[in-house]
Amino acid sequence: DAGVTQSPTHLIKTRGQQVTLRCSPKSGHDTVSWYQQALGQGPQFIFQYYEEEERQRGNFPDRFSGHQFPNYSSELNVNALLLGDSALYLCASSSYSGGAYFGPGTRLTVL
Amino acid sequence: SQQGEEDPQALSIQEGENATMNCSYKTSINNLQWYRQNSGRGLVHLILIRSNEREKHSGRLRVTLDTSKKSSSLLITASRAADTASYFCATSFMGSGGSYIPTFGRGTSLIVHP
Repeated sequence: DAGVTQSPTHLIKTRGQQVTLRCSPKSGHDTVSWYQQALGQGPQFIFQYYEEEERQRGNFPDRFSGHQFPNYSSELNVNALLLGDSALYLCASSSYSGGAYFGPGTRLTVL
Repeated sequence: SQQGEEDPQALSIQEGENATMNCSYKTSINNLQWYRQNSGRGLVHLILIRSNEREKHSGRLRVTLDTSKKSSSLLITASRAADTASYFCATSFMGSGGSYIPTFGRGTSLIVHP
C-alpha cells in the first residue's frame, strides 16, 4: 500500500501564474481533502471531493478549484497566484467517518 | 469555530521524560485525531479516538478524551529525541455537505533534548 502520494514535491511559480497539484489517495479511500498550511500554522481546510464532486468547501476564494477523477485521484488548481499562496499544500484521503491520512505535501513558493 | 486548540504551544523536555499535550474544542465531535508533523513535512496519523471512547493506547502513546469538558490529551511516555516534532489535534464534525471534516489547531511544538 503506497499510502497517499502527492506531486510535485516542490514548486516555484511567479505571481499571476497558475498551478496544478496532484494527489493519489490511499488504497480503499474514496474521499480526498485539500489543506493549505502556512509556516507556523495548522492546516486550513480548502475543500473535499467525493464521487467526483466538491462536497464541502472552506473559506478560500474561487481561485482555488479542484477535480476528482474516477480513480479517486484529485487535482488542486490555483489561478492568479499571489505571494500569500506560498505554503505547504496537503492532500488527505479518507473513507466515511474514518481517519484522514495525509500525503507528504507539495511546497509551493510564489515569487 | 470547531477548531481544536492545543496547549502548550511549545514544550521542551529531556529524553526519557513524559510529554503531555492538551487539546480543547468547542462543539460536539464525531471523533478526534492526533497527528505528528516533522519539519513542515506531511502529517503522520497517530491515533483516532471516537466520541464514545475515553482512552486509547498505541505503543508509547496514550490519548484520553473527555467529551464533557470538550478536551483531549496526548501523553508520550519515555520520550526520545526522534519524538521532536509538531503535534496537532484534529476534531471531526459533520459538515453541511454531509461529510466529516477534520479541522486543526495551531499545534504543539515538542523538542526532546538527548
